[in-house]
Amino acid sequence: SQKIEQNSEALNIQEGKTATLTCNYTNYSPAYLQWYRQDPGRGPVFLLLIRENEKEKRKERLKVTFDTTLKQSLFHITASQPADSATYLCALDTGGGNKLTFGTGTQLKVEL
Amino acid sequence: DTGVSQNPRHKITKRGQNVTFRCDPISEHNRLYWYRQTLGQGPEFLTYFQNEAQLEKSRLLSDRFSAERPKGSFSTLEIQRTEQGDSAMYLCASSLGLSAGNTIYFGEGSWLTVV
Repeated sequence: SQKIEQNSEALNIQEGKTATLTCNYTNYSPAYLQWYRQDPGRGPVFLLLIRENEKEKRKERLKVTFDTTLKQSLFHITASQPADSATYLCALDTGGGNKLTFGTGTQLKVEL
Repeated sequence: DTGVSQNPRHKITKRGQNVTFRCDPISEHNRLYWYRQTLGQGPEFLTYFQNEAQLEKSRLLSDRFSAERPKGSFSTLEIQRTEQGDSAMYLCASSLGLSAGNTIYFGEGSWLTVV
């Protein structure tokens, strides 16, 4: 069966450190992968998209890698801040036309 | 442009009642999506429209659910004879263009509680 797995345990890190979140998937061959941020009670907010032929994408303090052989994406936040505390969702294109399948998300807590 | 707008933001209803949610996408976005999210889970795809045409429906969308986008602008999601299992946040999203990979913009969601 098709699966998208994100670490269900919350990730607690200290301010200023780099947070690394993992997204693993099985039985998909996505054309692209996206990362979203979601705050409690709010809708997801798009952060980054990486295509299958791209190894790495950066945007300000964010970096995403995409390894289609390992079927894994890593999401990094450098110089993390308490304001980065949120749930981060990865999503795969699984049907074309922007139909996305989401992981369960990983909650990140950045402590002072 | 204020983004994707959803109404109402919160709805509490008794089991068996019908509810309707409205979504106003970002203007000129021709794709509109509905997702459902329960606590601790990621959003689950329900259906999407290309202009006024409903192109795909998830098997999660039972016969009690119906979605429309009559003029290719706003959309409604109706749930008939609500059940407690329908309690969730219903998210609407929109995107521009036909090519895959266009950014999808989500609304703030409509929370449904069935009591």
